[in-house]
Amino acid sequence: GIQVEQSPPDLILQEGANSTLRCNFSDSVNNLQWFHQNPWGQLINLFYIPSGTKQNGRLSATTVATERYSLLYISSSQTTDSGVYFCAVTGGSNDYKLSFGAGTTVTVRA
Amino acid sequence: NAGVMQNPRHLVRRRGQEARLRCSPVKGHSHVYWYRQLPEEGLKFMVYLQKENIIDESGMPKERFSAEFPKEGPSILRIQQVVRGDSAAYFCASFQTGEVTEAFFGQGTRLTVV
Repeated sequence: GIQVEQSPPDLILQEGANSTLRCNFSDSVNNLQWFHQNPWGQLINLFYIPSGTKQNGRLSATTVATERYSLLYISSSQTTDSGVYFCAVTGGSNDYKLSFGAGTTVTVRA
Repeated sequence: NAGVMQNPRHLVRRRGQEARLRCSPVKGHSHVYWYRQLPEEGLKFMVYLQKENIIDESGMPKERFSAEFPKEGPSILRIQQVVRGDSAAYFCASFQTGEVTEAFFGQGTRLTVV
């Protein structure tokens, strides 16, 4: 199956800092999503982005499908951004299994 | 998250009992995933179901675990004769095929086996 690698595994930020999270995948993808799992365990949809660039407030994401990676940008980080960020993909024809990376744990300090 | 409902939110079972976890997908979605998350770990795929069909159960343990998604009603993940190692958070997600196949997750069921 398709492999998903996320980096870095852990990130500690001072409030107000910017950061970039990376997701590499081993094959062509039909779907790529970024999720935020908050400290209460909820999985929040951030972006559905199999290709291109999207922005939502202080967050933006870019997927370069031909080079098999996606980036999630967090600008002006806030303590509420803390949690685990997951990248998940489906790949191949008629393959709808959503495969997750191991996640990046982000801690934003006040 | 767009209406995926899981219940119960918390479930405590003694070793050897059965656990039944329910998932109602987003209205109009006919595809469901189940995932398991152990403490401090990522999400592990268990099973992918379409209404009345199991499409991919490659992540399901061969024994004690089963899943269904009937024509009417919620999807059910059933764990028979639970053991302490089954303690985890179980998440369900739903999506619909088409141009956009964005998946939405429920809030999860936290299963504790005592």
